[in-house]
Amino acid sequence: KNQVEQSPQSLIILEGKNCTLQCNYTVSPFSNLRWYKQDTGRGPVSLTIMTFSENTKSNGRYTATLDADTKQSSLHITASQLSDSASYICVVTDTASKLTFGTGTRLQVTL
Amino acid sequence: EAGVAQSPRYKIIEKRQSVAFWCNPISGHATLYWYQQILGQGPKLLIQFQNNGVVDDSQLPKDRFSAERLKGVDSTLKIQPAKLEDSAVYLCASSFRDRLNNEQFFGPGTRLTVL
Repeated sequence: KNQVEQSPQSLIILEGKNCTLQCNYTVSPFSNLRWYKQDTGRGPVSLTIMTFSENTKSNGRYTATLDADTKQSSLHITASQLSDSASYICVVTDTASKLTFGTGTRLQVTL
Repeated sequence: EAGVAQSPRYKIIEKRQSVAFWCNPISGHATLYWYQQILGQGPKLLIQFQNNGVVDDSQLPKDRFSAERLKGVDSTLKIQPAKLEDSAVYLCASSFRDRLNNEQFFGPGTRLTVL
């Protein structure tokens, strides 16, 4: 069964600090992995997408990595801002275009 | 470019009542998705349309849920009758076409509370 597990479930950090979110998946055959940011009361918005051959992708202060051998991905946020407070969802697509969503990491950035 | 529109944003009903949600995808997007997101969980696909045809409705509880996209543009999702466990956010998303790397653009969702 295709699964996507994310950790930690929730995280509180001080503004300006860095943090790393983890995503482990068992989706096969793998096509791509996306990280989404979901603000409270809003729909998810795509941050990055990585295919099998890509092992890193950046979008501003967000950097995603992918290790297709170990089926792990991480999302690193640099110099966090209050506006980074949101849920971050890892989504893996298989070659039949089926999406498997993780349950998300809820990040809170505080002063 | 206008995003995915959904209405209403919030709905409170009593169990056994009926409710309908509306979604207008981004212009030109052939593929439309309805998701159910229960608090603290990731979205779960309910149904996927390609133009006005159903591609995947394997996780749609067809005894109470129905959806249509008659003209291949906007779509409605209906629940009849609602149960307490239907309380969730219902997200609509669209993509240009059902290609592997096509990004899905999500609407703001409709938060349903069933009392």
